[in-house]
Amino acid sequence: QKEVEQNSGPLSVPEGAIASLNCTYSDRGSQSFFWYRQYSGKSPELIMSIYSNGDKEDGRFTAQLNKASQYVSLLIRDSQPSDSATYLCAVSFSGNTPLVFGKGTRLSVIA
Amino acid sequence: EPEVTQTPSHQVTQMGQEVILRCVPISNHLYFYWYRQILGQKVEFLVSFYNNEISEKSEIFDDQFSVERPDGSNFTLKIRSTKLEDSAMYFCASSAEGGGSPLHFGNGTRLTVT
Repeated sequence: QKEVEQNSGPLSVPEGAIASLNCTYSDRGSQSFFWYRQYSGKSPELIMSIYSNGDKEDGRFTAQLNKASQYVSLLIRDSQPSDSATYLCAVSFSGNTPLVFGKGTRLSVIA
Repeated sequence: EPEVTQTPSHQVTQMGQEVILRCVPISNHLYFYWYRQILGQKVEFLVSFYNNEISEKSEIFDDQFSVERPDGSNFTLKIRSTKLEDSAMYFCASSAEGGGSPLHFGNGTRLTVT
């Protein structure tokens, strides 16, 4: 059974702080990893993809991947109230398999 | 920026009725998907479609469900004889290169079965 695990939260951080969101996955052979943001009642919106070990930065967002530990994280620097949403981790377990989503972590940024 | 469009945004139907949810994927994408999200739960894979046929389906996607690409642009999900537990948000998604490449989601259709 392919599983993607996330702490459901809520994770509350003050405005301007760094938010750290974590995700673990069950299959060591997984290939591709994605972070999506989902506002309440809306569709998932792609934030970042990461395919190799290490860090990948895009603006205020940094994705970190550690395949040996089967762990992927998302850091949001200078968090804003508009970042308040549910963050979904998604994993492609092998070449052409569809993405499997975690339950998501709800982030609340307090002004 | 090109986007995936879904219609209708909200569909209310009575139990036992058939519904068709429609999607127009991004024009140069080759892989199409349906996912659903029951309120408060995770986004779940239903089916993937490539080269005019189903490439993979989940346990959820039973004989009650079917997909079709009736022309060069539309991609539909049909649910026959709807049940109360089919009430959910249904998302269509497309990608350029299949598994391992990012999915681009439509805005979703909220299906309410009464």
